[in-house]
Amino acid sequence: EAGVAQSPRYKIIEKRQSVAFWCNPISGHATLYWYQQILGQGPKLLIQFQNNGVVDDSQLPKDRFSAERLKGVDSTLKIQPAKLEDSAVYLCASSTRTTRAEQYFGPGTRLTVT
Amino acid sequence: QKEVEQDPGPLSVPEGAIVSLNCTYSNSAFQYFMWYRQYSRKGPELLMYTYSSGNKEDGRFTAQVDKSSKYISLFIRDSQPSDSATYLCAMEGGKLIFGQGTELSVKP
Repeated sequence: EAGVAQSPRYKIIEKRQSVAFWCNPISGHATLYWYQQILGQGPKLLIQFQNNGVVDDSQLPKDRFSAERLKGVDSTLKIQPAKLEDSAVYLCASSTRTTRAEQYFGPGTRLTVT
Repeated sequence: QKEVEQDPGPLSVPEGAIVSLNCTYSNSAFQYFMWYRQYSRKGPELLMYTYSSGNKEDGRFTAQVDKSSKYISLFIRDSQPSDSATYLCAMEGGKLIFGQGTELSVKP
C-alpha cells in the first residue's frame, strides 16, 4: 500500500512570497489533515478535511493560509504572504473515516522563510 | 498550562536498557492515547494506540494509560540503536493533540 505522498520535500522562500504544498493521501482514506511542526515541537493541526469538506480549521491563520481538497482526494496548502515564523515542517496525514486515532503521515515539506 | 506535557529530553541510554517515556495531560475528555515515533527528517509513524486505562503490549513496546492520574507511559524493553528517534505522545478528543516529543538516543 502506497503511503502519503507530499511535494516538494524542501522549499526556501523569502518573506512576503507565496508557496504551495501538495499532498496525496492513502487511497481510500476519507480524512486528510495538514499539520505544522515547528522545530522542537509536536505537530499542530492546521486543518482537517472529511472528503472535500472542512471539519476543523480553527487553528489555520486564515489571513495568510488557505487549503483546498478538490474531488476529495489530493490537497494543497498555500501560504501567502509568508512570514519568518512560518518556517516549519508541514505534514500531511490521512485516516479512514472511522479510525481518526490512526493517522498516517507523509514525509513532510520543510519550509524555510528568509 | 499546555493540554499535553512531555519531557523533551534528550534521553541517552545504553543498548539493552529499559526506556520509560511519559506524558501528562489536563483534558479528561481525551479518549484515545497514541505514541508516534519520528525519525530525523521523516513524518511521525504510529507505534501504538490505546483506549481507556490499562496496558497494551506489542513486542518490545508497552503502552500504559492511567486516566485517573492523567498520565501515560511508553516502555521500550531491550532498547536498540534503531530505536533512536523522537517519540511523540498524542491524545485524541476530536482532534490529535501532540506532546512536544522526547528525543531518545540508544548508544551501542
